[in-house]
Amino acid sequence: GQQVMQIPQYQHVQEGEDFTTYCNSSTTLSNIQWYKQRPGGHPVFLIQLVKSGEVKKQKRLTFQFGEAKKNSSLHITATQTTDVGTYFCAGPETGNQFYFGTGTSLTVIP
Amino acid sequence: KAGVTQTPRYLIKTRGQQVTLSCSPISGHRSVSWYQQTPGQGLQFLFEYFSETQRNKGNFPGRFSGRQFSNSRSEMNVSTLELGDSALYLCASSWIAGGPEGKFFGPGTRLTVL
Repeated sequence: GQQVMQIPQYQHVQEGEDFTTYCNSSTTLSNIQWYKQRPGGHPVFLIQLVKSGEVKKQKRLTFQFGEAKKNSSLHITATQTTDVGTYFCAGPETGNQFYFGTGTSLTVIP
Repeated sequence: KAGVTQTPRYLIKTRGQQVTLSCSPISGHRSVSWYQQTPGQGLQFLFEYFSETQRNKGNFPGRFSGRQFSNSRSEMNVSTLELGDSALYLCASSWIAGGPEGKFFGPGTRLTVL
């Protein structure tokens, strides 16, 4: 079956530093979605990427879908304490069964 | 518009018992999926329903089952509970499976098996 790995598993940054998490799939994805889960909360949808090489921005967050549609990245510029949480990528296999990545837990040190 | 609701929020059971969890999707959403979240295994897909039909099923034993009703509400059942079933069970709804607006998650049911 499909495997979606994310690196790093944990990341501690000083407030104001940049942060990047990478998502790699063993199979080609038709699209990829990103979610954020705050500590004690539930995953919240951030964005969906569909096209090969697509780049989307949401304020300080930049999302990229790889040319081969097997990898993706999320980059946060100038992190803030509100960015704390675990970031998951998720992609559908055929039949739309969603596989979530292993997640990257971000800690921002004030 | 009300979000996804899950009941109960917390549950304590003992090994061998069974449990039923309930999920009410956002009004109008017809796709409901269930996930098990544990610190060690992350978010694991259980199953997905659309218009009362199971569309996909993850790699879980037959002790895990679910169903969806005509009003899109969904239930999942776990029989013969094991200690390893302790987890946060999350339900998510969307207009259609794999839609561009993403999945809307409920707050989850925290199940503890003693």
